[in-house]
Amino acid sequence: GAGVSQSPSNKVTEKGKDVELRCDPISGHTALYWYRQSLGQGLEFLIYFQGNSAPDKSGLPSDRFSAERTGGSVSTLTIQRTQQEDSAVYLCASSLAGRGGRFFGPGTRLTVL
Amino acid sequence: RKEVEQDPGPFNVPEGATVAFNCTYSNSASQSFFWYRQDCRKEPKLLMSVYSSGNEDGRFTAQLNRASQYISLLIRDSKLSDSATYLCVVNMGSGNTGKLIFGQGTTLQVKP
Repeated sequence: GAGVSQSPSNKVTEKGKDVELRCDPISGHTALYWYRQSLGQGLEFLIYFQGNSAPDKSGLPSDRFSAERTGGSVSTLTIQRTQQEDSAVYLCASSLAGRGGRFFGPGTRLTVL
Repeated sequence: RKEVEQDPGPFNVPEGATVAFNCTYSNSASQSFFWYRQDCRKEPKLLMSVYSSGNEDGRFTAQLNRASQYISLLIRDSKLSDSATYLCVVNMGSGNTGKLIFGQGTTLQVKP
């Protein structure tokens, strides 16, 4: 069956521009997560959506980062006024009701020049 | 102190060897535990959940010690294809908060 998909797979942008990253979770999965992974580093939690509950935004590094999840399915992570330190792979994952393992998408590799 | 700590390695072992990774976590209220595998430039994939009684999946055995707050992964009869980074993952907090915290990962290189 279809897994988690993310687009674009690669994004190169200039410092100061805004970017939008998209995640399509596995159909029927109610929980959706965003993580980022810098080169050679572990995964850093960003934000978590569970059904209609208020999202857990505790991992967002600054107010330049925001995320939405429309209709309990697709999610968009927006980074405003990108900085070079935002360069990383942004990974989306989904799961059933926050339980069990998370299934990750292939990620979006963001490069800020 | 990091919430989830792992020895980054690398662990270099010959084919057929047995290798063990340990991981410690700081939040004693953590409820669920996992091992993920991540290949170079790929997304993490769930390897196995870790249960209090310990569990086995083929050549892989996971153990949990709540008193000492550590988790282990044992790989028997290592294969070349086991070469990857192994991520220790903990669901922080009590109940099911859903926010998984990942360790930095332990790199395994299996040599012929």
